[in-house]
Amino acid sequence: GDSVTQMEGPVTLSEEACLTINCTYTATGYPSLFWYVQYPGEGLQLLLKATKADDKGSNKGFEATYRKETTSFHLEKGSVQVSDSAVYFCALKPPTGGFKTIFGAGTRLFVKA
Amino acid sequence: DAGVIQSPRHEVTEMGQEVTLRCKPISGHNSLFWYRQTMMRGLELLIYFNNNVPIDDSGMPEDRFSAKMPNASFSTLKIQPSEPRDSAVYFCASSLDRFYTGELFFGEGSRLTVL
Repeated sequence: GDSVTQMEGPVTLSEEACLTINCTYTATGYPSLFWYVQYPGEGLQLLLKATKADDKGSNKGFEATYRKETTSFHLEKGSVQVSDSAVYFCALKPPTGGFKTIFGAGTRLFVKA
Repeated sequence: DAGVIQSPRHEVTEMGQEVTLRCKPISGHNSLFWYRQTMMRGLELLIYFNNNVPIDDSGMPEDRFSAKMPNASFSTLKIQPSEPRDSAVYFCASSLDRFYTGELFFGEGSRLTVL
């Protein structure tokens, strides 16, 4: 079945370091892909999305490119801030299959000052 | 605009007690989802509604769990009787899309502790 696999955390970085969180997926056809972020004590919120191959989603300095050939949607940021400390979830919505969004396990990011 | 509103934010109860979690989706959203988040199992979809009708409840753990959506602005998730393994954060989420695109708006969650 459809699934999402993320790199295990926690990831600990110093401020201004580069970030990459790997995400790969298994799905038939062309799913829509998402990154959600969960700050401490809050619910998840959509960070960025891509709906077709080679699309690049971007928001708040974060980027992810939909790579069909490698079934990947890695999250990147060139310079992280302490305020980026959160849990990041990769997710997909299958091209068919109604209302289900499938989430990865989440990757916790700690950014040190 | 108000987001998804959940209550209570925190609930501590004893095993065997009934627990009711409440959710008010964003006005105008026509789909509502209940998720459960634990360290061991991550984020699990329990049930979702479209236009107040339950579409898929295959994620509901067992008969102790039930969910209702009596109108477009209110939903409940009930656990009766509660057990310690039900301890988790329960999220409600809603979506506007007529043709669901996967974008969800989450509430802040209800943290349940069953002693």
